[in-house]
Amino acid sequence: GNSVTQMEGPVTLSEEAFLTINCTYTATGYPSLFWYVQYPGEGLQLLLKATKADDKGSNKGFEATYRKETTSFHLEKGSVQVSDSAVYFCALSENNDMRFGAGTRLTVKP
Amino acid sequence: DTGVSQNPRHKITKRGQNVTFRCDPISEHNRLYWYRQTLGQGPEFLTYFQNEAQLEKSRLLSDRFSAERPKGSFSTLEIQRTEQGDSAMYLCASAQGRSASYEQYFGPGTRLTVT
Repeated sequence: GNSVTQMEGPVTLSEEAFLTINCTYTATGYPSLFWYVQYPGEGLQLLLKATKADDKGSNKGFEATYRKETTSFHLEKGSVQVSDSAVYFCALSENNDMRFGAGTRLTVKP
Repeated sequence: DTGVSQNPRHKITKRGQNVTFRCDPISEHNRLYWYRQTLGQGPEFLTYFQNEAQLEKSRLLSDRFSAERPKGSFSTLEIQRTEQGDSAMYLCASAQGRSASYEQYFGPGTRLTVT
């Protein structure tokens, strides 16, 4: 079946450091891919998405590119801020079957 | 619009009791999803509705779990004969449209503790 594997955390970075959180997936067809974020004390919210191969999703300085050849959707940000501290979830959706990764906790220190 | 709401936010129950959770989606959203999330894990898909039709329920964890959306608006998730292993956060999400690529909006969740 479909599945998502993402980089284990926790990840701790200094402010303005470069961020990469790896995500790879297994799917039978052509899923849509998502990154969701959960800030402390809040619900899950969509950060960005890509619906087909080579699409790049971007939002709030975060980017991820749908790579079909490597079945990956890695999340990147060039310069993280303290306010980016949160748990990040990679997810895929195919035929309304949504699968999430286990989440990666990011802490950014000033 | 106030977003997706879930009630109660917390529920403590004794093993063997039945519990029911309610989800009120964003008003114009026709799709509604239920998930379970345990500590340190991502949400685990349980079931979903398009309007009042339950289009996927094979992923419900056991026959003790059931969900309804009788008028295509709010939904309820019931767990019968609760077990300690049912302790988790239960999340509801809603979305508009037919495509799985549309964004799902999540509620704050109901935390269930079974003692």
